[in-house]
Amino acid sequence: DAGVTQSPTHLIKTRGQQVTLRCSPKSGHDTVSWYQQALGQGPQFIFQYYEEEERQRGNFPDRFSGHQFPNYSSELNVNALLLGDSALYLCASSFPSTDEKLFFGSGTQLSVL
Amino acid sequence: GENVEQHPSTLSVQEGDSAVIKCTYSDSASNYFPWYKQELGKGPQLIIDIRSNVGEKKDQRIAVTLNKTAKHFSLHITETQPEDSAVYFCAATYNNNDMRFGAGTRLTVKP
Repeated sequence: DAGVTQSPTHLIKTRGQQVTLRCSPKSGHDTVSWYQQALGQGPQFIFQYYEEEERQRGNFPDRFSGHQFPNYSSELNVNALLLGDSALYLCASSFPSTDEKLFFGSGTQLSVL
Repeated sequence: GENVEQHPSTLSVQEGDSAVIKCTYSDSASNYFPWYKQELGKGPQLIIDIRSNVGEKKDQRIAVTLNKTAKHFSLHITETQPEDSAVYFCAATYNNNDMRFGAGTRLTVKP
């Protein structure tokens, strides 16, 4: 049973560029949440996707956007990258009936130079 | 505000000793309080969770206690082993789907 998979594992970008991160949820899960984890801190909620729509959003600017596909996989897009966007980006999946139990992928380490 | 505070930030114990990590939450948190373990290079892994209709939950060497009146919950690890060394996060859910995490506790178990 495949867990949550994310790609790429590492990424280096320069300020002003755009980036797309990808996530495949755990088998049987249909809800995907994205988190940003800065070094030495806990994950911070970016947004959650369910039925291909953004269901809830944390305190992140519009530069952060996402998408969910019919197969439940998801993308996180960040435009106009800032140095402060450097972080580990985590994807977590869950199933509505046990919605609150999140299963995390290993993340994408994004470095903005 | 909608915050989760976690203490201590670092904890070092001798193998076989117990470790306790504490978290507090604000009023508007929902009734679900999970604990996650994060090892180097990996994502957080759910190790135990508790709902507000329960005061304590145990799973082998790990237990979580919840004090609703004081709005705090704690993780207890007994008979610690070197493989318990990791960063531990508590969390609470706000506004249904916004899970807020504590800042983490780096636990080191010395052999």
